[in-house]
Amino acid sequence: QVQLQESGPGLVKPSETLSLTCTVSSGSISGYYWSWIRQPAGKGLEWIGRIYVSGSTNYNPSLRSRVTMSVDSSKNQFSLKLSSVTAADTALYFCARWASLTGPLFDYWGQGTLVTVSS
Amino acid sequence: QSVLTQPPSASGTPGQRVTMSCSGSSSNIGSNHVYWYQQLPGTAPKLLIYRNNQRSSGVPDRFSGSKSGTSASLAISGLRSEDEADYYCAAWDDSLSVVFGGGTKLTVL
Repeated sequence: QVQLQESGPGLVKPSETLSLTCTVSSGSISGYYWSWIRQPAGKGLEWIGRIYVSGSTNYNPSLRSRVTMSVDSSKNQFSLKLSSVTAADTALYFCARWASLTGPLFDYWGQGTLVTVSS
Repeated sequence: QSVLTQPPSASGTPGQRVTMSCSGSSSNIGSNHVYWYQQLPGTAPKLLIYRNNQRSSGVPDRFSGSKSGTSASLAISGLRSEDEADYYCAAWDDSLSVVFGGGTKLTVL
């Protein structure tokens, strides 16, 4: 059973960079796309982007200018950086495995990590 | 505002059949598959339906999905109290992005 675990600071100051890492266990990071998805409190899901083990990425157009994703296959980890954060970036951040070539089939998810943007 | 449109709420009594809709456009639902997720309170979303109408492993056959044109629907028959959750539709968009619906909160009365 593949497991994903998000980690990173729970509090980020406005204008700074949010950095999160997702560690994949009981399975290889190879052969799949991996995504970040966020959810503000009481609101819906927003896809942030995806990365393949080769480093190929796709980002949500609304966040593209501020998002960078990377992967470290030796550690079975992938990461998210979101720059110039504001209070609007406060959300529960999930990492998930994208398991299909035909669309957003997220079959394994992390439990989510809450990131609050505040001074 | 979400790219895919879902009604904010739905409700039904135990044993009833409920349906919820998801409306998009030619660049997402109209040309790509639809996926449905169930999110119970305080948990990560769980895949219910993939490629419009395929049930994910372990999902009871009470759940079914369909798609027509630029819209999709999720139906739940034999409604149970444990079905009370938020339901999200998702699709790939030709802008090379995933789009989600705003979610439908299902209440079992």
